[in-house]
Amino acid sequence: NAGVTQTPKFQVLKTGQSMTLQCAQDMNHNSMYWYRQDPGMGLRLIYYSASEGTTDKGEVPNGYNVSRLNKREFSLRLESAAPSQTSVYFCASLKGYEQYFGPGTRLTVT
Amino acid sequence: LAKTTQPISMDSYEGQEVNITCSHNNIATNDYITWYQQFPSQGPRFIIQGYKTKVTNEVASLFIPADRKSSTLSLPRVSLSDTAVYYCLVGDMNTGFQKLVFGTGTRLLVSP
Repeated sequence: NAGVTQTPKFQVLKTGQSMTLQCAQDMNHNSMYWYRQDPGMGLRLIYYSASEGTTDKGEVPNGYNVSRLNKREFSLRLESAAPSQTSVYFCASLKGYEQYFGPGTRLTVT
Repeated sequence: LAKTTQPISMDSYEGQEVNITCSHNNIATNDYITWYQQFPSQGPRFIIQGYKTKVTNEVASLFIPADRKSSTLSLPRVSLSDTAVYYCLVGDMNTGFQKLVFGTGTRLLVSP
């Protein structure tokens, strides 16, 4: 039981490049989330998915797209990366009132 | 969504009890209160959750007064490994906490 896994762990992009952050959970949870955390700040919700086939915007969705591929996987795509998207990205899934977080992806956009 | 307010930072020494208070004045009837702990370079980890009165587990206690406008996380006899950021969240469990807001949290530093 791996919990929530994220790939890659680190990524460096040039401005304008695109990439997809992958997230998977093996706990059969319905709800999944993508957050970003800037240095010294709390987590901000980008997108969430209440169940397979549904997605909805969080606080800071601009510049991102998501796909809930199936119940296990929830990906986050940056179509044209900007330096302001330099951050640590966390994926999470929810059971009841408890969120389970992945280890994070540290993204730097130069 | 109920907004939460916490102290930005707290300092303590090993072996002391630490109490972190969170204010959530506009908490709704269906909202539950949840606390998370985050170490550097890791995702947050669930600590404790409650609705009213007092909840205790092997890690912490959560005190919620009758009006539920605040809550206090109590960490007994802290150690150096309790140095972390602690987040208070308020959300409606019936809607799956769909839009939980983490805020900036309380940075706890435990010294020898």
